Amino acid sequence: SQQGEEDPQALSIQEGENATMNCSYKTSINNLQWYRQNSGRGLVHLILIRSNEREKHSGRLRVTLDTSKKSSSLLITASRAADTASYFCATDARDSSYKLIFGSGTRLLVRP
Amino acid sequence: EAGVAQSPRYKIIEKRQSVAFWCNPISGHATLYWYQQILGQGPKLLIQFQNNGVVDDSQLPKDRFSAERLKGVDSTLKIQPAKLEDSAVYLCASSPRLAGIYNEQFFGPGTRLTVL
Repeated sequence: SQQGEEDPQALSIQEGENATMNCSYKTSINNLQWYRQNSGRGLVHLILIRSNEREKHSGRLRVTLDTSKKSSSLLITASRAADTASYFCATDARDSSYKLIFGSGTRLLVRP
Repeated sequence: EAGVAQSPRYKIIEKRQSVAFWCNPISGHATLYWYQQILGQGPKLLIQFQNNGVVDDSQLPKDRFSAERLKGVDSTLKIQPAKLEDSAVYLCASSPRLAGIYNEQFFGPGTRLTVL
């Protein structure tokens, strides 16, 4: 079963606008990661936020984490056409494997 | 630094045939993962290796799937025999450190398998 679920499933915005994607998960976590996947390619790690962190920035990316609500959000500011991709949140399984469990993703389309 | 390499990139087979995928992780990476990604879904972990030992294979359909990581470097994933529902992209990823709570993963481009 998938731990994280992204919302919305699909998002279409104009270039220059901000894009916000949300992720909800079910069980306690050590960390939450966001990955990007361009069409037909592998995933690229974007950012990791630890369970004791509330907000993290990386370039045009801003991630928040609310462990009380078991949710996270990814904000992409000043979007570009090149940001068009699927975005996945991934949470770690709190067992000895430390494996990641991915959500179903948000498909973002940035129109030029 | 070279990324994770996978081959082949595409494979089309008939059901009940066998297929094998190959992965070469980033040099020095201790942990290697195989994922199955069905169209429209997120990746699902099939098996996780640490060096050449299996850490987790709880979601690997062991009646038809097998994987090995010889000498703790390259890895192969095999499906025998394939079913229609095995059509998916198979992703390999590696991580520099031993399994831990703050590991980011580096993914290869994947192998797209179509079973007819």
